[in-house]
Amino acid sequence: DTEVTQTPKHLVMGMTNKKSLKCEQHMGHRAMYWYKQKAKKPPELMFVYSYEKLSINESVPSRFSPECPNSSLLNLHLHALQPEDSALYLCASSQDRYTEAFFGQGTRLTVV
Amino acid sequence: GEDVEQSLFLSVREGDSSVINCTYTDSSSTYLYWYKQEPGAGLQLLTYIFSNMDMKQDQRLTVLLNKKDKHLSLRIADTQTGDSAIYFCAAPPGGYNKLIFGAGTRLAVHP
Repeated sequence: DTEVTQTPKHLVMGMTNKKSLKCEQHMGHRAMYWYKQKAKKPPELMFVYSYEKLSINESVPSRFSPECPNSSLLNLHLHALQPEDSALYLCASSQDRYTEAFFGQGTRLTVV
Repeated sequence: GEDVEQSLFLSVREGDSSVINCTYTDSSSTYLYWYKQEPGAGLQLLTYIFSNMDMKQDQRLTVLLNKKDKHLSLRIADTQTGDSAIYFCAAPPGGYNKLIFGAGTRLAVHP
């Protein structure tokens, strides 16, 4: 089983809303990631968690707040987003920081 | 930092072979990856090659790695319409799994 599950699949939110994206894996992976993919562009790394600790933050604005409550779950809390934050948000996991990453199907976020 | 480049578009006839090329700059990348993305979907890991290998074959997929030229290719044999998608080459600079993706190659398969 190489499944990474993301919810919701689609999300529309206003600029004053607070919402959260969720990601779950049960492969025993100890590294988890958030990527952002704008239309017709490749994914770009946002955050890396390794053993439930934040190890990389790619200078992401503070309106995006990641959280790793346990080794199977990864959340991305969203607050006061801008329309340009509309994108496909992809979660991924890997056994550790050196091995292949498996991606979820993504959450398509639209900020209105 | 790592830079990964790919051609943007490839059109092939059904049943022919497809070859998608990629170049990268960071020679310390330990693994190199190929991902497939269908419209509206996430990324599917297709295959990967360890940096000390020259070639890896997995059913219809063949990956060739030229470390000297930092050139990676993905060959899909007997290409089918279901292979139509965007293919991303990805490299982790310094061996850590912070993937840097190429721009993606859109493969179109026609009858």
